[in-house]
Amino acid sequence: QLVLTQSPSASASLGASVKLTCTLSSGHSRYAIAWHQQQPEKGPRYLMNVNSDGSHNNGDGIPARFSGSSSGAERYLTISSLQSEDEADYYCQTWATGIQVFGGGTKLTVL
Amino acid sequence: QVQLQESGPGLVKPSETLSLTCTVSGGSINGYYWSWIRQPPGKGLEWIGYIYYSGTTNYNSSLKSRVTISVDTSKNQFSLKLRSMTAADTAVYYCARSTSTQLDYWGQGTPVTVSS
Repeated sequence: QLVLTQSPSASASLGASVKLTCTLSSGHSRYAIAWHQQQPEKGPRYLMNVNSDGSHNNGDGIPARFSGSSSGAERYLTISSLQSEDEADYYCQTWATGIQVFGGGTKLTVL
Repeated sequence: QVQLQESGPGLVKPSETLSLTCTVSGGSINGYYWSWIRQPPGKGLEWIGYIYYSGTTNYNSSLKSRVTISVDTSKNQFSLKLRSMTAADTAVYYCARSTSTQLDYWGQGTPVTVSS
């Protein structure tokens, strides 16, 4: 079964960097994923795709301080130069024939 | 810039059918997959199902028996019907676009409460 696992919470200081992790279930380590940001009281926004080879493609208007990478079954979202508006929930998402799957989300707190 | 806007009633009675419409502007509905996703209060995102512009559909197995998604390409709209609503269906409902892979444009969401 295709499942995405995320840590419920993360925190980092203003101006620092943070790396969020999304883990693909066994047997699905070559799947690409997407990252989405949901700021408080807003709808989600697509950030980027992350492929199994570590390449990533940012969505329209997403600054370069948002980047993606991969290692095995793990897909990462790194946010550098953290700003207060980066405090949000971050969801990973993947797809298979006929379905879309979401991770449980990580709540990022900017200290 | 592609924009999506959900519309529909904010309050539905138990056992009734929810009907929502998503209007797409700034781009054509042709060539893409169009999804409905929901988010219960304080919880994560749940994919409900999608429709291809040609009319092919796929649904979340947990909701399949109650869901119908349809598309009207002439109006650049697609719609959701969710039958036999209960309190557990209370959520913010989002529409979104995908190219069969990632969801790349989202609506702002519309809250739906199930209550008598």
